[in-house]
Amino acid sequence: LAKTTQPISMDSYEGQEVNITCSHNNIATNDYITWYQQFPSQGPRFIIQGYKTKVTNEVASLFIPADRKSSTLSLPRVSLSDTAVYYCLVVLVSYNTDKLIFGTGTRLQVFP
Amino acid sequence: EAGVTQFPSHSVIEKGQTVTLRCDPISGHDNLYWYRRVMGKEIKFLLHFVKESKQDESGMPNNRFLAERTGGTYSTLKVQPAELEDSGVYFCASSQDRSGDAFFGQGTRLTVV
Repeated sequence: LAKTTQPISMDSYEGQEVNITCSHNNIATNDYITWYQQFPSQGPRFIIQGYKTKVTNEVASLFIPADRKSSTLSLPRVSLSDTAVYYCLVVLVSYNTDKLIFGTGTRLQVFP
Repeated sequence: EAGVTQFPSHSVIEKGQTVTLRCDPISGHDNLYWYRRVMGKEIKFLLHFVKESKQDESGMPNNRFLAERTGGTYSTLKVQPAELEDSGVYFCASSQDRSGDAFFGQGTRLTVV
């Protein structure tokens, strides 16, 4: 399974847009790019998933270039409650398995 | 709709004792997963059930860990005997299909002293 690399931490202020970039140079054809969010003392929470181009939902947008070797999670107008750890995962979605391989994640701190 | 529920939320046991963690997945979710994070490490996959069958147990650290899912509903993860290095947070997750979007419980924090 492809390994991902993302910044250890990021700081932002309320109301700003936050972009977290993840690299996954060895992504395979059947891999999906998936992002999870985790608050302290809680389990990870699925945010968004995509295969290519752009995906948008009520929480975030996910931008994936044509070569799929990287992706960017975009959080519009963050608030203090967006302070969390964000994990970028490359998931092999197949008949047999979809186990998640977590990296260190990006710790986002939002300031007032 | 109730989410994934884990019991207990915290457990402190002595080395050599036995502990059983329980997970109640979201109703109707055939897929159930166990993950754990030990101190300072990343969240690691332990195993995956499809209904009552073990689909993938490649992440189970050793034979002191036993997971069951009788009847394909709730699951238990037993550690016997517990060792100090088993301390960490154990997460359970469930999903309706295998698409990489799983629902996680709040975790059980296990401390072995």
